[in-house]
Amino acid sequence: DVKVTQSSRYLVKRTGEKVFLECVQDMDHENMFWYRQDPGLGLRLIYFSYDVKMKEKGDIPEGYSVSREKKERFSLILESASTNQTSMYLCASSFLGIGDGELFFGEGSRLTVL
Amino acid sequence: ELKVEQNPLFLSMQEGKNYTIYCNYSTTSDRLYWYRQDPGKSLESLFVLLSNGAVKQEGRLMASLDTKARLSTLHITAAVHDLSATYFCVPDVGAQKLVFGQGTRLTINP
Repeated sequence: DVKVTQSSRYLVKRTGEKVFLECVQDMDHENMFWYRQDPGLGLRLIYFSYDVKMKEKGDIPEGYSVSREKKERFSLILESASTNQTSMYLCASSFLGIGDGELFFGEGSRLTVL
Repeated sequence: ELKVEQNPLFLSMQEGKNYTIYCNYSTTSDRLYWYRQDPGKSLESLFVLLSNGAVKQEGRLMASLDTKARLSTLHITAAVHDLSATYFCVPDVGAQKLVFGQGTRLTINP
């Protein structure tokens, strides 16, 4: 089974702190994604990556950065957390190439910024 | 910009009844996914629809895709409580980007 593991299920941070959210997948997927989920807004794409050291902005990249140094690991960074970044963050991965493009999600990281 | 509209957004129904969730999207997409999310949990894939006219069934759920009408449906037959969840319709616009609808929160009452 595909496994996508997010490092922290729950985090509480203070405004201005730097926050790292880590995601690891074990299926050798090329694509990895970070979404945030907020009530009434569905899932919104923050960043995605289709290869090591490659990244593409999603729909709401402001206030976030990402890092992909190894194929299996994709990190989301909040350089200076703000209260409006309180949310559920979901990491996902998928296969690039011939295939159905299905996303596999991690369990999510619920971040609260005080 | 692709827009995805699910209808209804909230659905409360009784066990044993049938119902359909509709998903309309605004631009061309040849493939579409349905995901399920239980409260406090992550998303799991239900169906992958890869072409116009595709129909997939799993238990009491059946999904279909009409790419010409830009419409997908998720039909629930003889609902049971275990199907209570939020369901997301997700068209694929290419470039490895999926666009999520708001989701339909389904509650099935005994």
